[in-house]
Amino acid sequence: GPKVLQIPSHQIIDMGQMVTLNCDPVSNHLYFYWYKQILGQQMEFLVNFYNGKVMEKSKLFKDQFSVERPDGSYFTLKIQPTALEDSAVYFCASSLAWTGGSQNTLYFGAGTRLSVL
Amino acid sequence: GDSVTQTEGQVTVSESKSLIINCTYSTTSIAYPNLFWYVRYPGEGLQLLLKVITAGQKGSSRGFEATYNKETTSFHLQKASVQESDSAVYYCALGLGGSNYKLTFGKGTLLTVTP
Repeated sequence: GPKVLQIPSHQIIDMGQMVTLNCDPVSNHLYFYWYKQILGQQMEFLVNFYNGKVMEKSKLFKDQFSVERPDGSYFTLKIQPTALEDSAVYFCASSLAWTGGSQNTLYFGAGTRLSVL
Repeated sequence: GDSVTQTEGQVTVSESKSLIINCTYSTTSIAYPNLFWYVRYPGEGLQLLLKVITAGQKGSSRGFEATYNKETTSFHLQKASVQESDSAVYYCALGLGGSNYKLTFGKGTLLTVTP
C-alpha cells in the first residue's frame, strides 16, 4: 500500500539546538500531519498542513515548532530551540483529501524518535 | 475532552486461538464519532485496519472485526483465529465528524501470537 517515509528513524540532539524531522509523504497526497507520542502515552495530534499553510494546530504545537513543505519535497517539522520535553516519537501522516469516504484515510510513517539530551 | 481506553500493555495468544482487544471511548463533542483500528507491524508505519462511521455497524478486515456500539461507547477488536503474522501493536482511535485527521488514540496494545 501507500508508504510514508520518515528520515531518520532516530535522532539525538543537545537541548537548545535546532532539529528538522523529514517526512516523504505519499506522492499524490495533499494534506499533511504531525503527531507526537511521548513514551508510555498516546499519540497526539500536533498540526495539519495544506497548500503551504497550517490549517489547525493543537496546544502541543509550541511557538518553537514550525512546518513547511518547500517545492513539494519533504514535509518537515522544525524545532528551534529544542527542549528536554520535546523528546518523543514524531509521526508524520498524509491523506489525499480532507473529508469524505476513504480519501481522508491517514497514512502514517514509522516515526522518528527524537532524544533531546 | 475526548479519550480512548484500550486493553493496556501486552496480550499473548496462541496461534489459532481467539482474540479480543477492548476499546471504549469518551467524548464531550456533539459531532458524531468515527471509530478506527490501526495496526503497526515492526518497523512500519501505522496502517488503517478498519473503520466504522455509523453506530451499530461492523467493520471487518483480514479476519478482524469490530462493532461500533453507541450504547456502551465501545469498539472492541476481535478475531476468531489469530496467526503469528498478526503479531503487532494495535491502536484504537476516535475521530469526530469531519475532523478525522485529528484522531484521539488509545495507548496501543502489543499482540504477540505464539506458535
